[in-house]
Amino acid sequence: QKEVEQNSGPLSVPEGAIASLNCTYSDRGSQSFFWYRQYSGKSPELIMSIYSNGDKEDGRFTAQLNKASQYVSLLIRDSQPSDSATYLCAVNIANAGGTSYGKLTFGQGTILTVHP
Amino acid sequence: DGGITQSPKYLFRKEGQNVTLSCEQNLNHDAMYWYRQDPGQGLRLIYYSQIVNDFQKGDIAEGYSVSREKKESFPLTVTSAQKNPTAFYLCASSIDWKPNYGYTFGSGTRLTVV
Repeated sequence: QKEVEQNSGPLSVPEGAIASLNCTYSDRGSQSFFWYRQYSGKSPELIMSIYSNGDKEDGRFTAQLNKASQYVSLLIRDSQPSDSATYLCAVNIANAGGTSYGKLTFGQGTILTVHP
Repeated sequence: DGGITQSPKYLFRKEGQNVTLSCEQNLNHDAMYWYRQDPGQGLRLIYYSQIVNDFQKGDIAEGYSVSREKKESFPLTVTSAQKNPTAFYLCASSIDWKPNYGYTFGSGTRLTVV
């Protein structure tokens, strides 16, 4: 079983719609979760971090975390063509006691295309 | 402005040649990381260093070597033992070893075998 899994897509949504990106992870002790956006040919940039169960909103982005289900998601409201990119879920994998292994583990990424 | 500088942006390697990718940060971060990204794939960890003069192998360390003699520098050498080195190489840093605040990435080096 992969430690961090994402649907690779591609996910295609019309401009103005809500894009929903999902990620599951394997280790229950994990405590910090991140979403990175990567444009083609560029390096990843951090867009959201979340640490507690529930929702965290930042502008058009909402991250949702459910530790019991080991699930983290990213919602993009009012999607724009400029949001077209690969979105990487990253998890600070930790043991059952919550001690980090000292590195982020990345999912395969979901390709998002927003069409006009 | 603080950040991570990777050089060169593009690198061409001949068969049997060792090449070194540079990574320098002025963020005063303790930990540094090297990842490899192949087309359509996620990031795979090559090596990481949580503190100066110490580093650990990641998931795909074979054919690579690193050093961490200074806090701000973490160069990666791709040796001739790495049979398929063509990829996008990303260097990253984090405030500490945990890394609870995520990574800052450099702009990457694209390595091609010719």
